[in-house]
Amino acid sequence: EVQLVESGGGLIQPGGSLRLSCAASGFTVSSNYMSWVRQAPGKGLEWVSVIYSGGSTYYADSVKGRFTISRDNSKNTLYLQMNSLRAEDTAVYYCARDTYYYDSSGYYHYPSVWGQGTLVTVSS
Amino acid sequence: QLVLTQSPSASASLGASVKLTCTLSSGHSSYAIAWHQQQPEKGPRYLMKLNSDGSHSKGDGIPDRFSGSSSGAERYLTISSLQSEDEADYYCQTWGTGPWVFGGGTKLTVL
Repeated sequence: EVQLVESGGGLIQPGGSLRLSCAASGFTVSSNYMSWVRQAPGKGLEWVSVIYSGGSTYYADSVKGRFTISRDNSKNTLYLQMNSLRAEDTAVYYCARDTYYYDSSGYYHYPSVWGQGTLVTVSS
Repeated sequence: QLVLTQSPSASASLGASVKLTCTLSSGHSSYAIAWHQQQPEKGPRYLMKLNSDGSHSKGDGIPDRFSGSSSGAERYLTISSLQSEDEADYYCQTWGTGPWVFGGGTKLTVL
């Protein structure tokens, strides 16, 4: 069964750091595009970052320079290192396995497997 | 700018059908989207990918009660024979050359 389980969330003071983990089962993280998406309390979904199977990484402007996405192939786990945290980073963070492909109609890239999320609260 | 617009709320009766709408911004009417469901206190769940011609492919285990259709810049999610567990937030999402774009979500209430 394909499954994603996030961990590492918690209460952290502004300016602090936190590392989120996303343990995958049923598939190989390194062979897939993997993403982080967050949801502030009572708000909608916001894309945060993606790592391609080839290793390229991309970030939302709101987290660029502060967050780093990475993976550990031996542990089949995705990470999100979050530094210089701000109150506006407070959210539930979800990891996702992306579906991506080309066909005659064009290019497709969307999350097709989601984790259950981990809550990050940035507050003094 | 690529933007997805959804009505904040919708409601329908148990056993009835409901059609949720996601509207693509001007100049992006050919884009495909994906629909995701988020039940209360749960992570999102992928429902389907929906093309501009209305063709769609659903995720594993998604009931036949869920279907998609398209007209111009509008993308629809129709849920028939509504059940109590369909009460959830529904998000549309698309992709371009930049980051993923999500609609604001529609909160569906099953009466």
